[in-house]
Amino acid sequence: QQQVKQSPQSLIVQKGGISIINCAYENTAFDYFPWYQQFPGKGPALLIAIRPDVSEKKEGRFTISFNKSAKQFSLHIMDSQPGDSATYFCAASIPGTYKYIFGTGTRLKVLA
Amino acid sequence: EAGVTQFPSHSVIEKGQTVTLRCDPISGHDNLYWYRRVMGKEIKFLLHFVKESKQDESGMPNNRFLAERTGGTYSTLKVQPAELEDSGVYFCASSHPSGGSYNEQFFGPGTRLTVL
Repeated sequence: QQQVKQSPQSLIVQKGGISIINCAYENTAFDYFPWYQQFPGKGPALLIAIRPDVSEKKEGRFTISFNKSAKQFSLHIMDSQPGDSATYFCAASIPGTYKYIFGTGTRLKVLA
Repeated sequence: EAGVTQFPSHSVIEKGQTVTLRCDPISGHDNLYWYRRVMGKEIKFLLHFVKESKQDESGMPNNRFLAERTGGTYSTLKVQPAELEDSGVYFCASSHPSGGSYNEQFFGPGTRLTVL
């Protein structure tokens, strides 16, 4: 199954709160899981990425948690800021190919 | 360094017409990709070029879509004839030659295509 299921579709968080976006997959051959952030009128931009041999990766306020046995991974945004308001896409790739399989996106709004 | 550029930013055409989208990748990026996002759905892979060669075109919807990359530089995606279901945002991305699928794909701002 070459699908990545992403939830929620939209999320509203107060400034300073934690935003959590979840993704699940079936294909255990996936070996790279990037998260992309897209602002209105712009293309998606790489935010943070993880490989399945690591359970967590943190970059500043952004953390990926990876659960290989459950085939799930999630993005946590700590101390969410209004400037984080954007659409977030999780993705996965298969070894030997270059294409990404994207989730459906989560529109995050952080209230000031 | 200039990013990935796409032209036009918006296109509105009638069903049955032809549209050509253009992508200029980051200089030196041999890998070029086309993706499409239909409203509210996932960003879906269309095809992948390495230089001027089509490496993977498994995501191309049908033979109304034709992608080319002349000389391994810019790429065009032609839709002929356009149908209503072709509406969506078409993204181009590029990546550095080395590093395989772990290499960051840099996306352009997209072309929003509306077929009436």
